[in-house]
Amino acid sequence: DTAVSQTPKYLVTQMGNDKSIKCEQNLGHDTMYWYKQDSKKFLKIMFSYNNKELIINETVPNRFSPKSPDKAHLNLHINSLELGDSAVYFCASSQGGPSGQGPWGHFEAFFGQGTRLTVV
Amino acid sequence: AQSVTQLGSHVSVSEGALVLLRCNYSSSVPPYLFWYVQYPNQGLQLLLKYTSAATLVKGINGFEAEFKKSETSFHLTKPSAHMSDAAEYFCAVKGRGGGGNKLTFGTGTQLKVEL
Repeated sequence: DTAVSQTPKYLVTQMGNDKSIKCEQNLGHDTMYWYKQDSKKFLKIMFSYNNKELIINETVPNRFSPKSPDKAHLNLHINSLELGDSAVYFCASSQGGPSGQGPWGHFEAFFGQGTRLTVV
Repeated sequence: AQSVTQLGSHVSVSEGALVLLRCNYSSSVPPYLFWYVQYPNQGLQLLLKYTSAATLVKGINGFEAEFKKSETSFHLTKPSAHMSDAAEYFCAVKGRGGGGNKLTFGTGTQLKVEL
């Protein structure tokens, strides 16, 4: 049983296209995230949702729009793809509330296998 | 804001040698600290985490890390490297003082294990 699953694993598309990446977790977690890993392996958070509510939006271009239909799913839609969007996108989930305080802060995040997006 | 710094983007050791990967944190209060490993074309897997229960933390695959407040460090060690340890290692921090329930990662250290 895959805890955090993303689809597709690979995505090759042309500039200007619109694409979506889907993520599902079966861990019963309340919080889900999107991270972007660039070509130098640097990981940066993009968004965080807690119980379908957007909690963190780290100055990501408006072309990126996350959607959480329920707390087990967090999808990422990207409009008008650019060359610079090429990266590996990771979905993750963890227990806990939106602030990270209280009893939840020590819970780790569980990551999906990543989606390698290549824009040509 | 919390942050972590990983010294050395590439570390090379011989099989059987000690592995030492360095991580220093910056936080006004002792944070939660994590080490993750990423094998090629894979997601991130948790190796271990510090939650203030004990300063010496043991993780999977024989790895351990020691939280040293005086040095603001959380270095990862393994007594004897194995070829299968070759991977990218990330130190990450989550603050206790709010800032969202998110992990902030270091820039990663690629570990190479040679025969």
